[in-house]
Amino acid sequence: ILNVEQSPQSLHVQEGDSTNFTCSFPSSNFYALHWYRWETAKSPEALFVMTLNGDEKKKGRISATLNTKEGYSYLYIKGSQPEDSATYLCGGHSGSARQLTFGSGTQLTVLP
Amino acid sequence: KAGVTQTPRYLIKTRGQQVTLSCSPISGHRSVSWYQQTPGQGLQFLFEYFSETQRNKGNFPGRFSGRQFSNSRSEMNVSTLELGDSALYLCASSPDPGQLYEQYFGPGTRLTVT
Repeated sequence: ILNVEQSPQSLHVQEGDSTNFTCSFPSSNFYALHWYRWETAKSPEALFVMTLNGDEKKKGRISATLNTKEGYSYLYIKGSQPEDSATYLCGGHSGSARQLTFGSGTQLTVLP
Repeated sequence: KAGVTQTPRYLIKTRGQQVTLSCSPISGHRSVSWYQQTPGQGLQFLFEYFSETQRNKGNFPGRFSGRQFSNSRSEMNVSTLELGDSALYLCASSPDPGQLYEQYFGPGTRLTVT
């Protein structure tokens, strides 16, 4: 089973601030990294699936980078808005573990 | 396209009983995965089904089982319920198994065991 860790566990920022969080995973035998946003009372929603070292993906004000050699991914939110408040989950696949293993998430609260 | 649906949405059961949860994937999706979320825990993988076959299983006791039907709908069953089985159970579908496909999650079934 892949060990996926996320930091920080929670984060409070002011509206308009930019923020970022980290997902760490074992670099050996890496295959794919997923990011999901999970708003309260809703279903987790996919943001990005990343596979290649150096990958950078963007969706609106949210972007992510991937470093498979050192085993981490960053998620950035530019100009946070209250509607960005959610738990952000990352999940990793390794070549040997065919299941998606999630970290415990980063809970983001954007204060108006 | 209709999203992933799960039934029932809420369920209260007593210790020792068994329960069956249902998941209908997005039309055309052939892979269904199940996850458990308990307070303080992230999403824990239960199992994945594809073409009516269990492709992968997480680290859960044998009381947790599942199956998939020819129309890709899936059910999971928990027998001899314990208080610790109280959780949100999510299913997710994707077009095919494999790590490159994003997963589409259902709204979940909230199970309470008393």
